[in-house]
Amino acid sequence: DVVMTQSPLSLPVTLGQPASISCRSSQSLVHSDGNTYLDWFQQRPGQSPRRLIYKLSKRDSGVPDRFSGSGSGTDFTLKITRVEAEDVGVYYCMQGTHWPQIFGQGTKLEIE
Amino acid sequence: EVQQVESGGGLVQPGGSLRLSCVVSGFSFSTNWMTWVRQAPGKGLEWVANMNEDGTEKNYVGSVKGRFTISRDNAKNSLYLQMNSLRADDTAVYYCARLASRSIDYWGQGILVTVSS
Repeated sequence: DVVMTQSPLSLPVTLGQPASISCRSSQSLVHSDGNTYLDWFQQRPGQSPRRLIYKLSKRDSGVPDRFSGSGSGTDFTLKITRVEAEDVGVYYCMQGTHWPQIFGQGTKLEIE
Repeated sequence: EVQQVESGGGLVQPGGSLRLSCVVSGFSFSTNWMTWVRQAPGKGLEWVANMNEDGTEKNYVGSVKGRFTISRDNAKNSLYLQMNSLRADDTAVYYCARLASRSIDYWGQGILVTVSS
C-alpha cells in the first residue's frame, strides 16, 4: 500500500499568519487518467472530517479561498494564507490514486 | 441536503459482534461507491472497507479481513458493517462516507464502538 507521510504533526500558528502542511507519498499519485487524486480534509474538534481540497488543488464549495492545495508526483502542500481561529483542528491528506485510499497521520493546527 | 446517519454502535465485549447501519439521503445511493472509515480515540483516520454500487466488489483493510463484512441494500438506501470477533483495538468512531471520483466527499456524523470487558 501507499504510505502517506505528513509534516509537521503539530503546527502552532499565530492568528493572521500563514501556515503550510506537507504531505509526501511513497509512490507517485499521478493516475493513468492524468489526474492526481490527492485530497485534504479538515477535522475540527468534535466534528466529522470535512473535505477542503480534491484532485490536488480543487477547492470544495464553501471553502474559503485562503486554503489552497499544490504539488506534484509525491510531494504536496496545503497552504493557509492567513490563519483564523476557526481553522483550529487536525488536517489530513488522503490519496485515492492507488486502491485503497490511504490517509496521512494528521497535522494538528493550533493557535499560539 | 445530504445526510448519512449511522447507528448500531455501543459497548461490546471482546469477541462479540455488532452491526452498524448507515441510512443515506440527499443523493443517489445506488449509483455510488461507499466506504467505512474509523478513528480510534485520539488517533487518525483509517479506511476500513469499500463497496461498489451493486455490492459485487468489496475491499477491506488487512486488520479486519475475515471478521468484518460490508454490505448494502440499495432499496433502503442503507450501508452496513457487520463486525464479528471484535477486539479492543477495534474501538473507534466509525464513519459512513461516500466515495466519488476516488475521493470522499460526504461523511456521516460517526458512531462510537467500544470493545471492552
